[in-house]
Amino acid sequence: AQSVSQHNHHVILSEAASLELGCNYSYGGTVNLFWYVQYPGQHLQLLLKYFSGDPLVKGIKGFEAEFIKSKFSFNLRKPSVQWSDTAEYFCAVLGGSYIPTFGRGTSLIVHP
Amino acid sequence: KAGVTQTPRYLIKTRGQQVTLSCSPISGHRSVSWYQQTPGQGLQFLFEYFSETQRNKGNFPGRFSGRQFSNSRSEMNVSTLELGDSALYLCASSSFQGTQETQYFGPGTRLLVL
Repeated sequence: AQSVSQHNHHVILSEAASLELGCNYSYGGTVNLFWYVQYPGQHLQLLLKYFSGDPLVKGIKGFEAEFIKSKFSFNLRKPSVQWSDTAEYFCAVLGGSYIPTFGRGTSLIVHP
Repeated sequence: KAGVTQTPRYLIKTRGQQVTLSCSPISGHRSVSWYQQTPGQGLQFLFEYFSETQRNKGNFPGRFSGRQFSNSRSEMNVSTLELGDSALYLCASSSFQGTQETQYFGPGTRLLVL
């Protein structure tokens, strides 16, 4: 069975700091990987996704994620965070069962 | 273009009752997925419908069911409600162009079971 682990449950940063949120999955086959974001009071939305090809995926709002197959990781990065990036971030994996599995989420707070 | 709409937004039921939640996808989107979000279990996939057919189903008991209509609107039903069914139920609609998928979520229906 596939699983997803997000190691950082809570992250607090100051504006302009760099961000990296960890995501590791367990599944031996081909995977599709996703990052979702839920801003306070807003709908969940897809931030970026990896299906195939270039392992470095760029998403909305300056976010990117790198798929490292050997490490079963899909970490989310942003070089310089803003106060508006305060949100809950979820990593998800879609394996052979075509049933997405989500991580427990990382709460990011960015201080102005 | 109108977003994904879910009705009702809030619902209070008692144990043993049943509930039906509705989701209207973005116009032109033929795929609708349902998710349950709780503090204890996080986000969990319930099922996905495409062109009125259930394509995938998550690991939920048979009390959870759904359907999709010809206009792509979808409903999910939970029978014999339990306290643990209290959750935010999210619906998402998707469209596919080749390998490119766009997915949009609705605001959710918050269900409280007493």
